[in-house]
Amino acid sequence: NAGVTQTPKFQVLKTGQSMTLQCAQDMNHNSMYWYRQDPGMGLRLIYYSASEGTTDKGEVPNGYNVSRLNKREFSLRLESAAPSQTSVYFCASDQGLKNEKLFFGSGTQLSVL
Amino acid sequence: GNSVTQMEGPVTLSEEAFLTINCTYTATGYPSLFWYVQYPGEGLQLLLKATKADDKGSNKGFEATYRKETTSFHLEKGSVQVSDSAVYFCALSDRGNQGGKLIFGQGTELSVKP
Repeated sequence: NAGVTQTPKFQVLKTGQSMTLQCAQDMNHNSMYWYRQDPGMGLRLIYYSASEGTTDKGEVPNGYNVSRLNKREFSLRLESAAPSQTSVYFCASDQGLKNEKLFFGSGTQLSVL
Repeated sequence: GNSVTQMEGPVTLSEEAFLTINCTYTATGYPSLFWYVQYPGEGLQLLLKATKADDKGSNKGFEATYRKETTSFHLEKGSVQVSDSAVYFCALSDRGNQGGKLIFGQGTELSVKP
């Protein structure tokens, strides 16, 4: 049971480099999300995709772009990484219903030097 | 806007102690409320939920009651174990069935000592 799969698990970048975080889910979920987790700040939503073909900004979208490639995959791109983007990134998915739980990936630990 | 506030951690308890982690929320309408748990090195997973006022969610010995009058959803457990050491997140959902987002609190780290 794969659930939500994120790659890579760890990444170190230099300031100004770009990279894409990949996320895939095998539960046929409609909605997918990218969160970042920082000490003392909990999880903050970066972008989400309520359904295939749509994306919307969350609380902290600046410096990021996303692509909902198909129903399974939702990628997060950092075009020019900054030290402020050092964080743990989580992808999540669900059917988008009010009372339904989110399924999370195991996270990507990103350091920007 | 909608928000969730949790008590600050870390919380350190001895095994078999009583646990309370406070959570209060601000929301318009009638949100659903959740507790998620994050074990070391893992993603978050749902612990329990409540979808309307006075509902009690429960799982693995943990309980939380949706209190609309005090806008609270405090997490409790009567006797904690070392294996309960984790970070606990309170969250709310005010979305309809067209998708949307959960709003999380800042998380409370719990450490249980033998």
